[in-house]
Amino acid sequence: GQQLNQSPQSMFIQEGEDVSMNCTSSSIFNTWLWYKQDPGEGPVLLIALYKAGELTSNGRLTAQFGITRKDSFLNISASIPSDVGIYFCAGRVRTGANSKLTFGKGITLSVRP
Amino acid sequence: KAGVTQTPRYLIKTRGQQVTLSCSPISGHRSVSWYQQTPGQGLQFLFEYFSETQRNKGNFPGRFSGRQFSNSRSEMNVSTLELGDSALYLCASSNSGGGDNEQFFGPGTRLTVL
Repeated sequence: GQQLNQSPQSMFIQEGEDVSMNCTSSSIFNTWLWYKQDPGEGPVLLIALYKAGELTSNGRLTAQFGITRKDSFLNISASIPSDVGIYFCAGRVRTGANSKLTFGKGITLSVRP
Repeated sequence: KAGVTQTPRYLIKTRGQQVTLSCSPISGHRSVSWYQQTPGQGLQFLFEYFSETQRNKGNFPGRFSGRQFSNSRSEMNVSTLELGDSALYLCASSNSGGGDNEQFFGPGTRLTVL
């Protein structure tokens, strides 16, 4: 089946630093999504990407849909303590009237003040 | 607009029991998806309901079932609970007829099986 690879499992950065996270797959996806999950909460959608090559920003976050449609990255600039959490990528494939969303296992981000 | 709500937030059961979890989607959303989240496996898709019909199904045993009501509220049921069923169960809703609109997650129900 389809799998999304996110690594490393954990990242530790200093407040104010930029960080980049990748998500790769051997399969092609039509849509890439990035979610953030805080402890005890459900994932919250950060950015959605719909077209190969698309680059989209949401405040300090920037994400790109890879040209091959098999990867995406998320950049966080000037990190702050509230950026701590688990970041998931998700890819969607549409087949006919249905679509299926597959999630990566997530990267836990820690920000040292 | 109120977000996705899930009840209960926490639940403790013992092996062999059954459990029913509830999800109320965002008003106007007709699609509800359920996911199981564990530290080792991440987010695993259980099933999706749209207009009271199961539209997609993940690779879980038949002990996991669900349904959707005419008001789009959804329930999932797990029978004959096993220790490995301990997880955070997340529900997500979308305003989708074709699966293209984005999913918004609830806070989850934390199920512990003893």
